[in-house]
Amino acid sequence: DTGVSQDPRHKITKRGQNVTFRCDPISEHNRLYWYRQTLGQGPEFLTYFQNEAQLEKSRLLSDRFSAERPKGSFSTLEIQRTEQGDSAMYLCASSFSSTGGFYEQYFGPGTRLTVT
Amino acid sequence: KNQVEQSPQSLIILEGKNCTLQCNYTVSPFSNLRWYKQDTGRGPVSLTIMTFSENTKSNGRYTATLDADTKQSSLHITASQLSDSASYICVVSGGEGRRALTFGSGTRLQVQP
Repeated sequence: DTGVSQDPRHKITKRGQNVTFRCDPISEHNRLYWYRQTLGQGPEFLTYFQNEAQLEKSRLLSDRFSAERPKGSFSTLEIQRTEQGDSAMYLCASSFSSTGGFYEQYFGPGTRLTVT
Repeated sequence: KNQVEQSPQSLIILEGKNCTLQCNYTVSPFSNLRWYKQDTGRGPVSLTIMTFSENTKSNGRYTATLDADTKQSSLHITASQLSDSASYICVVSGGEGRRALTFGSGTRLQVQP
């Protein structure tokens, strides 16, 4: 499978615990995005990387959230001291961008987080 | 504020029937508009992408239209199939200073036999 993959697919954790999700983008894609989606809503942008540089962060990304893409390939999203309001589907997407280019974002299957 | 609004919120149709989903947006500047299909528990999959100069684009039984003057788009599904049951999300790209996308809340379509 050469698409975007995410791990784990499901995570159940207790309030206050830390969780980390991983995203492996399509190999030649230089941009990687994280989104959060709650039930019945469209995805909301959290952050994106171009190669290893984190270029933009949403106000939704509180201090408890941190994302990394250390070698410009896979990325991790960590949530510290989880709260029940963090329960959502976390989606990763990747794209290849070039100057003036018109890029398509390909989404992974998502990680569903449930905080009890 | 950049916004994308979709209607209806949900829709039930019989297999074989046609339907049209609506999208209004206020994203500026505008780069392109996309329709995605999202099956339950899965990531969105792109159906069509249109720039401001395109006013219609088809992908099989899916036809999207765009009116950049009124900032409206529609997605028409012809001869619906049970596998069309999903959420259809309108997504607009081009908000100032943003590389990512502004998503609508989606229309949940259920096709019944």
